[in-house]
Amino acid sequence: RKEVEQDPGPFNVPEGATVAFNCTYSNSASQSFFWYRQDCRKEPKLLMSVYSSGNEDGRFTAQLNRASQYISLLIRDSKLSDSATYLCVADNNAGNMLTFGGGTRLMVKP
Amino acid sequence: EPEVTQTPSHQVTQMGQEVILRCVPISNHLYFYWYRQILGQKVEFLVSFYNNEISEKSEIFDDQFSVERPDGSNFTLKIRSTKLEDSAMYFCASNGAGGMKTQYFGPGTRLLVL
Repeated sequence: RKEVEQDPGPFNVPEGATVAFNCTYSNSASQSFFWYRQDCRKEPKLLMSVYSSGNEDGRFTAQLNRASQYISLLIRDSKLSDSATYLCVADNNAGNMLTFGGGTRLMVKP
Repeated sequence: EPEVTQTPSHQVTQMGQEVILRCVPISNHLYFYWYRQILGQKVEFLVSFYNNEISEKSEIFDDQFSVERPDGSNFTLKIRSTKLEDSAMYFCASNGAGGMKTQYFGPGTRLLVL
């Protein structure tokens, strides 16, 4: 069974803090990886794709380590609006299904 | 910005009844998906659909489930005889061809089976 595992949290951090989330995936054939954000009772929304070389989008940085089958997300200068559940996602080798982790809950406090 | 839309937003049904959940994927997308999320649990893949046929399905997607693209815009999920355990949020998603094939999700239909 192909799984994606995440620490469920919650991570409680003050505004302005830097926070890092990690996840591991079991399907070595996965080709594409993503971080999605999910607000309570809403749909998953793409935060960023994760590239082998690592990539940055503003305050967000994603890293992929294929050898260890490990993905990370770093959020700098946390905002109150960053409070959400962050979902680590991997595709299958055919690219026609996504496997979601259980999510890591972030709460940013004033 | 184009969006995936879903109707209805909420559906309450009696056990054993048939339900049809509707989705309008993003207009130039070619790949369509259904996922579900039971309250408090992970998002789970149900089925993917391309070129008018199922390309992948999970063990959840048994004979009670079917999908259809009845016209050029709609993509439907039918549950023939609902069970209590089918109560969940059902998300439709779509993506275009090439690249990272990022999937974009609709707002979901919350299904409650009584």
